Amino acid sequence: GAGVSQSPSNKVTEKGKDVELRCDPISGHTALYWYRQRLGQGLEFLIYFQGNSAPDKSGLPSDRFSAERTGESVSTLTIQRTQQEDSAVYLCASSLVLGRVGSGNEQFFGPGTRLTVL
Amino acid sequence: AQKVTQAQTEISVVEKEDVTLDCVYETRDTTYYLFWYKQPPSGELVFLIRRNSFDEQNEISGRYSWNFQKSTSSFNFTITASQVVDSAVYFCALSGQGAQKLVFGQGTRLTINP
Repeated sequence: GAGVSQSPSNKVTEKGKDVELRCDPISGHTALYWYRQRLGQGLEFLIYFQGNSAPDKSGLPSDRFSAERTGESVSTLTIQRTQQEDSAVYLCASSLVLGRVGSGNEQFFGPGTRLTVL
Repeated sequence: AQKVTQAQTEISVVEKEDVTLDCVYETRDTTYYLFWYKQPPSGELVFLIRRNSFDEQNEISGRYSWNFQKSTSSFNFTITASQVVDSAVYFCALSGQGAQKLVFGQGTRLTINP
């Protein structure tokens, strides 16, 4: 079956421009997550969705970052007025169940969007 | 707060050697989950294993094995008879009950030389 897909795979933009990154989770997965990975670093949590709601936005680095999810499916991460420090790979993941003891919250990751801000 | 520490930034071994990747975690949750992911040069994270905090039984899968010890808050990963295809960055991660995000370590870059 299809895995998590993300588009675009690469995005080069100029400082100050807005960008939108898209994530298509595995069909039927109720939870969706966004992470950021700077070069040579681990993954930083940004936000997660249960259905179309976002119970935890604690990882969003500033108000320039926002995300939404519709139809309990596709999610879009928007970065406004991009800065050079926003350059990173943005990874999306989805999981089938959320928070039940024993479920373990196994997340399946997409290939990521590499964002370069010039 | 939750934290995962992978003290080994890079490891380089010769093919067929055994190698152990260390992972130490911190959490106040009594129920939590530990994970290992592999990130090959292609960049996509590949799930390897999940362990529940109430199950300390070690696990073996082919050449891979995991040693979970709550007493030392460690969840180490061993590759036996390493192969060049094992070259990748390996991440250890932690998730708490009710806290859905994964907290990742900084990763260990493993290079297997022929």
